[in-house]
Amino acid sequence: DVVMTQSPLSLPVTLGQPASISCRSSQSLVHNDGNTYLTWFQQRPGQSPRRLIYKVSNRDSGVPDRFSGSGSGTDFTLKISRVEAEDVGVYYCMQGTHWPGTFGQGTKVEIK
Amino acid sequence: EVQLVESGGGLAQPGGSLRLSCAASGFTFSSYWMSWVRQAPGKGLECVAKIKQDGSDKYYVDSVKGRFTISRDNAKNSLYLQMNNLGAEDTAVYYCARHSWGSLEYWGRGTLVTVSS
Repeated sequence: DVVMTQSPLSLPVTLGQPASISCRSSQSLVHNDGNTYLTWFQQRPGQSPRRLIYKVSNRDSGVPDRFSGSGSGTDFTLKISRVEAEDVGVYYCMQGTHWPGTFGQGTKVEIK
Repeated sequence: EVQLVESGGGLAQPGGSLRLSCAASGFTFSSYWMSWVRQAPGKGLECVAKIKQDGSDKYYVDSVKGRFTISRDNAKNSLYLQMNNLGAEDTAVYYCARHSWGSLEYWGRGTLVTVSS
């Protein structure tokens, strides 16, 4: 299975400051169809995961534009330009290129 | 509005069985791949199984192959997960999720499965 490795696992951030989460895969996530199926999810305490970004950099409807995704191949990043209180939660990357889809360990974002 | 509502979770004995259901609404159910994803208490996420729109293709994670069966009834807008020979390692919240753009776009609230004697 493809191993997804996130860093850091804990990310204390000051309100209004930027935050960045790294996600690396153990093999290329470029699919035979040419797409890269790397997704970012946010899971707030007590809630189901919510998709933020799909195919590396496409923001879902309703997701604030302070969230952005980038990367290619095996190296990906989620950035929050200015952290707000509602951004507290655990963030997961997930690859859907190879079955089974696999998730990173999660990065817990908290406010300092 | 897309809604996915899981049911059927509960307490099962080791070696026992449970059948999870997911009622879908707000979209054309028969047009989408669907998945079951689980999350052990305080842990990360694991894809368990997925099924093609017409049910002709099914995929399972190795840890549940031969024990779990995913199925769907497009006439009833419902997704199912039959879980047999349950073990403690299957204790988790089980989410139903709809695919789009190669990933899991919508998730239900989940149903808790606890395997314990």
